[in-house]
Amino acid sequence: GNSVTQMEGPVTLSEEAFLTINCTYTATGYPSLFWYVQYPGEGLQLLLKATKADDKGSNKGFEATYRKETTSFHLEKGSVQVSDSAVYFCALTYSGGGADGLTFGKGTHLIIQP
Amino acid sequence: GAGVSQSPRYKVAKRGQDVALRCDPISGHVSLFWYQQALGQGPEFLTYFQNEAQLDKSGLPSDRFFAERPEGSVSTLKIQRTQQEDSAVYLCASSHKSRGAWTDTQYFGPGTRLTVL
Repeated sequence: GNSVTQMEGPVTLSEEAFLTINCTYTATGYPSLFWYVQYPGEGLQLLLKATKADDKGSNKGFEATYRKETTSFHLEKGSVQVSDSAVYFCALTYSGGGADGLTFGKGTHLIIQP
Repeated sequence: GAGVSQSPRYKVAKRGQDVALRCDPISGHVSLFWYQQALGQGPEFLTYFQNEAQLDKSGLPSDRFFAERPEGSVSTLKIQRTQQEDSAVYLCASSHKSRGAWTDTQYFGPGTRLTVL
C-alpha cells in the first residue's frame, strides 16, 4: 500500500538557519505529493504541492521538488523564522483504484528559537 | 462559509455512549473526507463522499463507525458505543472537484477532539 515516511522530530533550529525536512514515499504509479502545516492551535493548511515528477512546489519561502527517481519530496527553506514553528506533514494521494484520501506521514515538529 | 467548520470542537463521552460529529464543508465542494488523528500521529483516512454518495469507507475502523451526507453538503460521523481507543481528533476536509481529481487540494476543518473516559 501507499506510505509516507518523514524524519522524526522535534527539529530545533535557530532563526535564519537553513531547513530541510526529509520525506520519502512508497506508492504504486504516480501520486500527487503535498506538504501540510499545522500551526499551534490551528487546523491543517496546505503549504505546497506537486502533481508530477520534477515539479517544484513553493510557498512562503518553502520549496519541495517531486523526485520520482528517489521517491522523495523534501521540504526546504533558506532562512527560517520563529513564526515557522509548527508541525509539518508530508502526504500523498493516489487514485489508482482507491480513494483520493490523503496518506500522511507522522509529522515533524519544528521549533525555531530566536 | 469561508472555510470548513466542525462541531463540536471538543467532546467528552463516557465509554459506551454514542456520539455524533458534524462537518460543514466549503459551499459547492463536491468531495468530503473524514480523517482520524491520534495524538502525535498523522491523520488517517476514514471515509470519502462524492456529493451524497459514500464511495469509500475502507478506513472506518469498525462497524461502530458510521458516516452520512444525505443532501450532499453537511456530513455527520457517528460513533456508537464509544471505546477509549476512539479518543482522537476527527478531521473533516473538502475539495472542489469530483473523484479522479487526485491533484486537488483538500481544505481541512479545525477538528473535533473526542475524549472517551
